[in-house]
Amino acid sequence: DQQVKQNSPSLSVQEGRISILNCDYTNSMFDYFLWYKKYPAEGPTFLISISSIKDKNEDGRFTVFLNKSAKHLSLHIVPSQPGDSAVYFCAAIPLNRDDKIIFGKGTRLHILP
Amino acid sequence: DSGVTQTPKHLITATGQRVTLRCSPRSGDLSVYWYQQSLDQGLQFLIQYYNGEERAKGNILERFSAQQFPDLHSELNLSSLELGDSALYFCASSVVDRGNTEAFFGQGTRLTVV
Repeated sequence: DQQVKQNSPSLSVQEGRISILNCDYTNSMFDYFLWYKKYPAEGPTFLISISSIKDKNEDGRFTVFLNKSAKHLSLHIVPSQPGDSAVYFCAAIPLNRDDKIIFGKGTRLHILP
Repeated sequence: DSGVTQTPKHLITATGQRVTLRCSPRSGDLSVYWYQQSLDQGLQFLIQYYNGEERAKGNILERFSAQQFPDLHSELNLSSLELGDSALYFCASSVVDRGNTEAFFGQGTRLTVV
């Protein structure tokens, strides 16, 4: 039962263009969402987060959008750079704060030269 | 460097054996999480400890157990190992028990069961 779904296993984007990574969730009790980035042979690193009381959070080239009614969030990277090539994990924390950070399966982003 | 240390980095062992994975959290972090990443799978939450006590449990097999010690380091014990247990095991830590905070991950232990 996948509560956090990243339906695109991979995505290729031209350098300089916008990368949009999507994430859907099924549990309406999730109220805090995070994106992690992972390079090979390294642990995931935190990228950006958003609380359910917001619909947008921006940090430099990275913006996360949250659509609660659709149970959907997306990560926008503008402009995409070669160093952005990595696996991106969407994650969610439930309202009851039992501290299970639930991750999706990840989307591998390839930035093309 | 996230500040979370996991040892060993690689482990190769035979089926039926038992191994212990170790995690030292970031200084000051009281919460430790364990995750398993298998091929084509996301990060599967196994278990979480907070200040020495089990706080949340995920899809952790009965053959697996964990604990957090008074110095806050944690160990994940995997026993009666099967080929399917081959995976990357990540430890993460965070500073607070509950709240809007991210967890910081170690570099993982790659377990290969042969």
